[in-house]
Amino acid sequence: AQKITQTQPGMFVQEKEAVTLDCTYDTSDPSYGLFWYKQPSSGEMIFLIYQGSYDQQNATEGRYSLNFQKARKSANLVISASQLGDSAMYFCAMREMSGYSTLTFGKGTMLLVSP
Amino acid sequence: NAGVTQTPKFQVLKTGQSMTLQCAQDMNHEYMSWYRQDPGMGLRLIHYSVGAGITDQGEVPNGYNVSRSTTEDFPLRLLSAAPSQTSVYFCASSYYRTGRGTEAFFGQGTRLTVV
Repeated sequence: AQKITQTQPGMFVQEKEAVTLDCTYDTSDPSYGLFWYKQPSSGEMIFLIYQGSYDQQNATEGRYSLNFQKARKSANLVISASQLGDSAMYFCAMREMSGYSTLTFGKGTMLLVSP
Repeated sequence: NAGVTQTPKFQVLKTGQSMTLQCAQDMNHEYMSWYRQDPGMGLRLIHYSVGAGITDQGEVPNGYNVSRSTTEDFPLRLLSAAPSQTSVYFCASSYYRTGRGTEAFFGQGTRLTVV
């Protein structure tokens, strides 16, 4: 069963505007971590932000914030003041902590920022 | 600090040939894994390891073999290459727990073409 769902194959945003990339997840493990990665056209995977299931506050890292709604099992990435360099593929990922847990990725969202 | 070193960056194989993708990390991470990335499919887990001598299959293990004799190294072997194995391959490593600082670090990727 798919554990990470990213429903937006592509998103468009104008420079300097904010954008939200959606991510929902499915788990019965009370302890888990959620991650967002950026993959620019050059291909490398860049870690952006982390949210733990027991964290009381939404994570923030510079222009990135995570809108964590535990009851709804969503972990949306918010990018404020978009820049042209934000154009990339964005992946949501989750690791459960029960057993030999693996890091599972969603299919990604391609974000294009226009001038 | 080199992080995750993955080689080669590009490779062309003929159907039926075998090869090994190398992956090494210098961060003393317990968890190492191999993913393949195909258009529209996100990153799919091939094999993973939670420590030296311990490996397990991921979502798409057929046609691949791994071993982990040391903490640092986690090579991926293609036993008899097939065109369906044309993909971009990523090696990743991380601490095997949740929390800040447990994000996965990725190699630069290997673009493999099987003709």
